[in-house]
Amino acid sequence: QSVLTQPPSVSAAPGQKVTISCSGSTSNIGNNDVSWYHHFPGTAPKLLIYDNNKRPSGIPDRFSGSKSGTSATLGITGLQTGDEGDYYCATWETSLSVVIFGGGTKLTVL
Amino acid sequence: QVQVHQWGAGLLKPSETLSLTCAVDGVSFNDYSWNWIRQSPGKGLEWIGKISRRRITFSNPSLKGRVTISVDTSNNHFSLRLSSVTAADTAVYYCARGSPFFDTSDFDYWGQGTLVTVSS
Repeated sequence: QSVLTQPPSVSAAPGQKVTISCSGSTSNIGNNDVSWYHHFPGTAPKLLIYDNNKRPSGIPDRFSGSKSGTSATLGITGLQTGDEGDYYCATWETSLSVVIFGGGTKLTVL
Repeated sequence: QVQVHQWGAGLLKPSETLSLTCAVDGVSFNDYSWNWIRQSPGKGLEWIGKISRRRITFSNPSLKGRVTISVDTSNNHFSLRLSSVTAADTAVYYCARGSPFFDTSDFDYWGQGTLVTVSS
């Protein structure tokens, strides 16, 4: 059981929007920045969002991130079949001095 | 263009030591942290540890002191050793570049992953 709680799965139709939540506590999300990753089986995870809401170069603006208190949210608009896969939030856990990941959310584009 | 490539033994017996190496091209090795992350079958991602740009190592306490991370700056390589492996250490292991700051979780360049299986 991860310290960061994500829904196990979400789904939506192509072209639609989806949000994925990540819930933590004051010792992690509440006082540290959040990152989001897309992980497709057989490939390396890909950084989508860092510092809560910043996109690395090459990540389209269909992906957005936000943080409020001890929770963070990833938003994806204009869903494409290539967006399918697992999405993970991550942050620093101050009490343990480690990086922690959420349990992952499987996105299905119907 | 930053490139990250990793290699190492993929099959170990219980109690042996896992050893993986990651080579980095196209970036100054001294400006970032260098991390190891794994994913066990059917599970999520787990951060193993890192070596900072000041060559200080940090590791996940869950691995109970079995982790050694070292760097060879002359070759732009960094390595992971995980001692006394058990079946629970079976996973895909990734190396990844991280932010130079201490308490961050963004990894922007990753190796291709190495499946390590521990079996007698």
